[in-house]
Amino acid sequence: EPEVTQTPSHQVTQMGQEVILRCVPISNHLYFYWYRQILGQKVEFLVSFYNNEISEKSEIFDDQFSVERPDGSNFTLKIRSTKLEDSAMYFCASSPTGREKLFFGSGTQLSVL
Amino acid sequence: DQQVKQNSPSLSVQEGRISILNCDYTNSMFDYFLWYKKYPAEGPTFLISISSIKDKNEDGRFTVFLNKSAKHLSLHIVPSQPGDSAVYFCAASSGTYKYIFGTGTRLKVLA
Repeated sequence: EPEVTQTPSHQVTQMGQEVILRCVPISNHLYFYWYRQILGQKVEFLVSFYNNEISEKSEIFDDQFSVERPDGSNFTLKIRSTKLEDSAMYFCASSPTGREKLFFGSGTQLSVL
Repeated sequence: DQQVKQNSPSLSVQEGRISILNCDYTNSMFDYFLWYKKYPAEGPTFLISISSIKDKNEDGRFTVFLNKSAKHLSLHIVPSQPGDSAVYFCAASSGTYKYIFGTGTRLKVLA
């Protein structure tokens, strides 16, 4: 069964550094998402992406965050200057139509020191 | 802004019995709902969905019920198995490009 793959599985960075989290969505899917989960809390929506542009974003997704689909397969989340509170598990997801289930990757655990 | 709430943080059930997980929402525009199961250090795994035009959807051991007037949905797992022990999230969408997740309920199925 096709999977959403995320790399790396763990990322440790110093506060103020830039990080790029990478995702390969399922190949025929059109809608892409980033969510995050701070330890013990709920899964929070960050951003959705369709047709090479952001469809919707949450209040969390401020100017420090950006997303890109640099080629036909990768979908990246960049955090320009990481803060301690950015430490979380980041999940990428994709969906064929945006109105069906989301398929999630296994996540990248980001630790900001 | 907790539009989707799961008021029970945890639930313990004996193996073979029914597990009932509840979810309440406040936004009457939500029209599509999903349930996910999540194990530690893994991504959420889709279980079952329901559209607001239905009040019930069944898939094997999993049944989701939707009560639109009460803005309430529930997931029934029967019979419960030890492998069902996980955190369960409901999620809702109003036709926009995002799903709002609840806070999760940790289910423990006792052998």
